[in-house]
Amino acid sequence: EAGVTQFPSHSVIEKGQTVTLRCDPISGHDNLYWYRRVMGKEIKFLLHFVKESKQDESGMPNNRFLAERTGGTYSTLKVQPAELEDSGVYFCASSPLLTEAFFGQGTRLTVV
Amino acid sequence: DAKTTQPPSMDCAEGRAANLPCNHSTISGNEYVYWYRQIHSQGPQYIIHGLKNNETNEMASLIITEDRKSSTLILPHATLRDTAVYYCIVRLGNTPLVFGKGTRLSVIA
Repeated sequence: EAGVTQFPSHSVIEKGQTVTLRCDPISGHDNLYWYRRVMGKEIKFLLHFVKESKQDESGMPNNRFLAERTGGTYSTLKVQPAELEDSGVYFCASSPLLTEAFFGQGTRLTVV
Repeated sequence: DAKTTQPPSMDCAEGRAANLPCNHSTISGNEYVYWYRQIHSQGPQYIIHGLKNNETNEMASLIITEDRKSSTLILPHATLRDTAVYYCIVRLGNTPLVFGKGTRLSVIA
């Protein structure tokens, strides 16, 4: 069974550009979570989907971040326009109802 | 904010048991204790979770005190590949995991 897959693994963009990160959860997992780790800081929660609905987006830093999960399958996280402080590793996790979540390997985003 | 307290770092000799403590004195009755680890910059890896009873799987054992205010993760025979940051997390249902600073475990040859 495939695990949680994230694309791309690395992305380097210039300040002001747009970047879209993608997460393919484990098949059948209704819950999908986005997290971010900024260098030197703890892993922070961004957003939680249950199927295609946003259950909790309290961790989204500002309106430059937009997450979608059309059809309740894969999810995208778009940053527009990117700022230097957006650099970090973005993790996606998925889980069935009421059990452990499995993480992808992350997307390392560098904004220069 | 994380509801758990862990020591910032620990060392363990290779082949010996690693016992990682965690305090969660404000845990509520329906909250589970989860353990994850992060090796280098990889994605966090699920280890084990429990509610009241002790749990064991192929990776580790989880010992939860009777009052549920603390727990211990046990890696029975630590190897160099177990060197990682270990996170103890209290979680209700399918709510998001809240990561603290964790314990950096160094397994020494």
